[in-house]
Amino acid sequence: QLQLQESGPGLVKPSETLSLTCTVSGGSISSSSYYWGWIRQPPGKGLEWIGSIYYSGSISYTPSLRSRVTISVDTSTNQFSLKLTSVTAADTAVYYCARVARYSASTFDYWGQGTLVTVSS
Amino acid sequence: QSALTQPRSVSGSPGQSVTISCTGTSSDVGGYNYVSWYQQHPDKAPKLMIYDVAKRPSEVPDRFSGSKSGNAASLTISGLQVEDEADYYCCSYVGSYTLLFGGGTKLTVL
Repeated sequence: QLQLQESGPGLVKPSETLSLTCTVSGGSISSSSYYWGWIRQPPGKGLEWIGSIYYSGSISYTPSLRSRVTISVDTSTNQFSLKLTSVTAADTAVYYCARVARYSASTFDYWGQGTLVTVSS
Repeated sequence: QSALTQPRSVSGSPGQSVTISCTGTSSDVGGYNYVSWYQQHPDKAPKLMIYDVAKRPSEVPDRFSGSKSGNAASLTISGLQVEDEADYYCCSYVGSYTLLFGGGTKLTVL
C-alpha cells in the first residue's frame, strides 16, 4: 500500500524559507505513470495546488507562487521536497503531498496526512 | 487564477440526493475532461471520489457520480448518508500542466 509522509519544521519565522519533504513508501517515485504534488490548505479555508514534479525533473507551479517556490525530487531516497521562500503569515497552512496520475491530470489518488506549518516570529 | 466556483454549502436529508456544482471557464473545466472531486472530513486529508469527470475509484460507493456540461461540472450524491457530511472540492486541469481547485462546498446531512 502506497504511503506518503510529510516532514519538516512546524514553525517558520517571517521572511525565512519553509522547507518540507515528502517520503514515499510502498512504491517507487520513479514510476513513469505518476507525478508528485504539493497542496496546501490555510486554516478554515480551501485547497490550493502549489505544484507538481515528475521523477525526471519536469515541474509545474501555480502562477501565484512561482517566484517563491521550488519543488525537487530525489529518486535515490524516494523523496520529493518543497521550498517556499520569503514566507509571511499568509503561508500558514496544512501542507499535503500527494501522488498525481500522469494520464489523468487532476487526479490526486494518494495523499499524505498533512503537516501544519505556522509562520510566526 | 481565481478558484473554480462552488456553492459554499448544500444540505439534504438522509436518503435524499444532492448535487454540488463546480463552475469554471472554457480554459479549465470546459476545455478538458480532467475534473476530479475530493471529500474531506474535519482534520483529515482529502479523499479522491471522482476523477476524469465521471470515473469512480473502486472503493468509492456508486452513490457518488460525476458529470459535466459546458463549463460546469457536478458531483451528485444519491441516498445521502450521515457519513457523507463533509467538505467537497472539485479540481480541474487548466493546461500547461497546471491545476486549479474549487473553493469548496460544505455538505450538511440534516
